[in-house]
Amino acid sequence: QKEVEQNSGPLSVPEGAIASLNCTYSDRGSQSFFWYRQYSGKSPELIMSIYSNGDKEDGRFTAQLNKASQYVSLLIRDSQPSDSATYLCAVKSWAGSYQLTFGKGTKLSVIP
Amino acid sequence: NAGVTQTPKFQVLKTGQSMTLQCAQDMNHNSMYWYRQDPGMGLRLIYYSASEGTTDKGEVPNGYNVSRLNKREFSLRLESAAPSQTSVYFCASSESTGGAYEQYFGPGTRLTVT
Repeated sequence: QKEVEQNSGPLSVPEGAIASLNCTYSDRGSQSFFWYRQYSGKSPELIMSIYSNGDKEDGRFTAQLNKASQYVSLLIRDSQPSDSATYLCAVKSWAGSYQLTFGKGTKLSVIP
Repeated sequence: NAGVTQTPKFQVLKTGQSMTLQCAQDMNHNSMYWYRQDPGMGLRLIYYSASEGTTDKGEVPNGYNVSRLNKREFSLRLESAAPSQTSVYFCASSESTGGAYEQYFGPGTRLTVT
């Protein structure tokens, strides 16, 4: 059973701080990793994808991947109240698979 | 360019009734997916279609059927609705070639079965 684990939160950070969201996965053969943001009552929105070990930056967002530790994280710099949402980690396991396995999400609250 | 569209947005059914949820994408994606999302359970895959003409079961297929009508459209049918099928249903699509497996979601259908 492939598993993707996230701390459910809520994670509260003050406005302007760095929010750090973490995700671990069980399948060592996993190849592709994604972060989605989901506002309450809305659908998941893709914000980052990462495929190789290391860091990938996009604006205020940085995704970090460590395949040896089976760990992927998302950093949000200069957090804004509009970043308050649930963040979903998703993992694509093997080369022939079309499926993503989603974590249950971490709820982030940015306090003004 | 609308992305992924779903109809209806809201639906209330009585136990035993049937209905079809419609999904269409205009991104020329090969693969399409149906998920349900329940509190505390996260997103769970019901069925997917890797490419036009193929469909496969996901994690929770019981009580559902799907049809990949063409490359653009993928429908989900509940033949005899049960209260346990009360959920939010999301359709998604992905290119699924050249390493592009990012999935893009529609706005969702909120279904209540009484």
